Amino acid sequence: DSGVTQTPKHLITATGQRVTLRCSPRSGDLSVYWYQQSLDQGLQFLIQYYNGEERAKGNILERFSAQQFPDLHSELNLSSLELGDSALYFCASSSGPNTGELFFGEGSRLTVL
Amino acid sequence: GQQLNQSPQSMFIQEGEDVSMNCTSSSIFNTWLWYKQDPGEGPVLLIALYKAGELTSNGRLTAQFGITRKDSFLNISASIPSDVGIYFCAGFSGTYKYIFGTGTRLKVLA
Repeated sequence: DSGVTQTPKHLITATGQRVTLRCSPRSGDLSVYWYQQSLDQGLQFLIQYYNGEERAKGNILERFSAQQFPDLHSELNLSSLELGDSALYFCASSSGPNTGELFFGEGSRLTVL
Repeated sequence: GQQLNQSPQSMFIQEGEDVSMNCTSSSIFNTWLWYKQDPGEGPVLLIALYKAGELTSNGRLTAQFGITRKDSFLNISASIPSDVGIYFCAGFSGTYKYIFGTGTRLKVLA
């Protein structure tokens, strides 16, 4: 158990809909990362927050947004969903900007029908 | 997005054999991380390396931080069926930025 909690584990929805994925980082970790992993693909970096502020952005679509709340949990919002958005979405946390170890949650599997 | 070159892409090995994989980059990293991912699960951190030349073990796993800081190696000794999975390397250059490798799929034949 990495200590990073993600909900929901599985989500099935229709095209055009909007979903919210939630992440609670490890206790004490200030930094949260979101990654997308499509079938049999690598990890694609989406966005990163540190202590409530956005610090880095990857290949995140404009239809996607995220935020980190004062209690340090984070949410990834995916809207106007398309079939190609079906993927595993992972949250990961680290203790700070200069700390190397990154711990992943078990992921949220999104299926768009 | 940017990814590190990881090789081999996949490998079949016999149970009991040793396995080697590596990760190379054109950039220098401060930290190298190695992860294992089982199907449908999140990547699990196996080993973290912090210094050039560092050699670190975790059970049957041994990883090394390359001297040039642009590469890293992971060895698995005496492989067993539960070693099956995808192994990812990741380089950390400081200040939030992690770059992941393309992954090595390991399949063990009993």
